[in-house]
Amino acid sequence: AQSVTQLDSQVPVFEEAPVELRCNYSSSVSVYLFWYVQYPNQGLQLLLKYLSGSTLVKGINGFEAEFNKSQTSFHLRKPSVHISDTAEYFCAVCPSGAGSYQLTFGKGTKLSVIP
Amino acid sequence: EPEVTQTPSHQVTQMGQEVILRCVPISNHLYFYWYRQILGQKVEFLVSFYNNEISEKSEIFDDQFSVERPDGSNFTLKIRSTKLEDSAMYFCASREDSYEQYFGPGTRLTVT
Repeated sequence: AQSVTQLDSQVPVFEEAPVELRCNYSSSVSVYLFWYVQYPNQGLQLLLKYLSGSTLVKGINGFEAEFNKSQTSFHLRKPSVHISDTAEYFCAVCPSGAGSYQLTFGKGTKLSVIP
Repeated sequence: EPEVTQTPSHQVTQMGQEVILRCVPISNHLYFYWYRQILGQKVEFLVSFYNNEISEKSEIFDDQFSVERPDGSNFTLKIRSTKLEDSAMYFCASREDSYEQYFGPGTRLTVT
């Protein structure tokens, strides 16, 4: 079984400041890792994913995340946030072996960008 | 750009009633999922569906739940006798062969 922890439920940050949203996971098997974003009244949209290879992955809208296997973390970063980044961000994992690739999510972090 | 759609956006029902939540996955996708999110809690996996049968289901997906792909486009989640604790946002997702799941906007189910 897998579990995902997002320690920060809310993160306020000023426009153009950097931000890091933290994600830690626990799993007895190898996993793939994802960050999804949910804008108000919309579905979950994939920001980026780590499957294998380089531990630094870049996604849409200027976001990036780094996979750290020893710390079982997959923190999301953006060097300069914009008002339009205000949304809820979900970290998720799925087993990398055979199976349905069902996702296990964290509780989400609400990012509020302050003008 | 193709997207997953869900109807209705909000459903209010009385305890004990049956509800059917509808999803139209992206047309060339082969794998389908339902997730739910109770207010203030995590998004939880309910069931996955492939080749016209359930491939995996969670402990939440008991005998009160069923899924169906009645035609080539719709994917439905039925709750036979709703309980108060079924109140949640229900998300449908689909994918093709890659690992990326595309999510719909969700149906908010309120059981009174």
